Amino acid sequence: QVQLQGSGPGLVKPSETLSLSCSVSGGSIRDSYFWGWVRQSPGKGLEWIADVFHSGSIRYNPSLRSRVTLFIDSSRGHFSLNMTSVTAADTAMYYCVRVRGADFDSWDRGTLVTVSS
Amino acid sequence: QSVLTQPPSVSAAPGQKVTISCSGTRSNIGYNFVSWYQQVSGIAPKLLIYDNGKRPSGIPDRFSGSKSGTSATLAIYGLQTGDEATYYCAAMDSNLNAAVVFGGGTKLTVL
Repeated sequence: QVQLQGSGPGLVKPSETLSLSCSVSGGSIRDSYFWGWVRQSPGKGLEWIADVFHSGSIRYNPSLRSRVTLFIDSSRGHFSLNMTSVTAADTAMYYCVRVRGADFDSWDRGTLVTVSS
Repeated sequence: QSVLTQPPSVSAAPGQKVTISCSGTRSNIGYNFVSWYQQVSGIAPKLLIYDNGKRPSGIPDRFSGSKSGTSATLAIYGLQTGDEATYYCAAMDSNLNAAVVFGGGTKLTVL
């Protein structure tokens, strides 16, 4: 059973870069899945951010693409998210996920990120 | 405004059946599979249904999914108090380079 564990700072200043990482265990990051991020603003619904295949192929949410970069390190079994120029609207719970198509079958517990000075 | 449209809330009594709708367009639900998620308050979502109507291992057959045209439906039979949660639908969108779109979520209250 694959397990995901996300990590990163809980507080980021406005205009700075949000950086999160996710470690994969119990399965191979080279399996035929994409690895990515979904966020949920307080009291709101789910928003898919982007995901990456071990080959480096990436899918983006068009509304976030200009600010998002994904990295994957297959040798170490982890992947990461950078989101630039954050504002208060980026305050959310960030989940790292395993996904195939629109099937998100594994989620971590989430990392709460607050954007505030 | 979510790309996929769900009712904000539904309710039903224990033991009853409830359905949750998810409406989209040809480019998302029409051309692609639909998945459904259950999110109990404060916990990460869980995959309930994938490929329109398939259940992952461990999901009881009280949960059923279907799709017709540009709409999908999640049905929950024999409601239990533990089913009280928010339910989301999702699909890829062929007009958005296979981006994933979610519904806005439906809060299920078990009366």
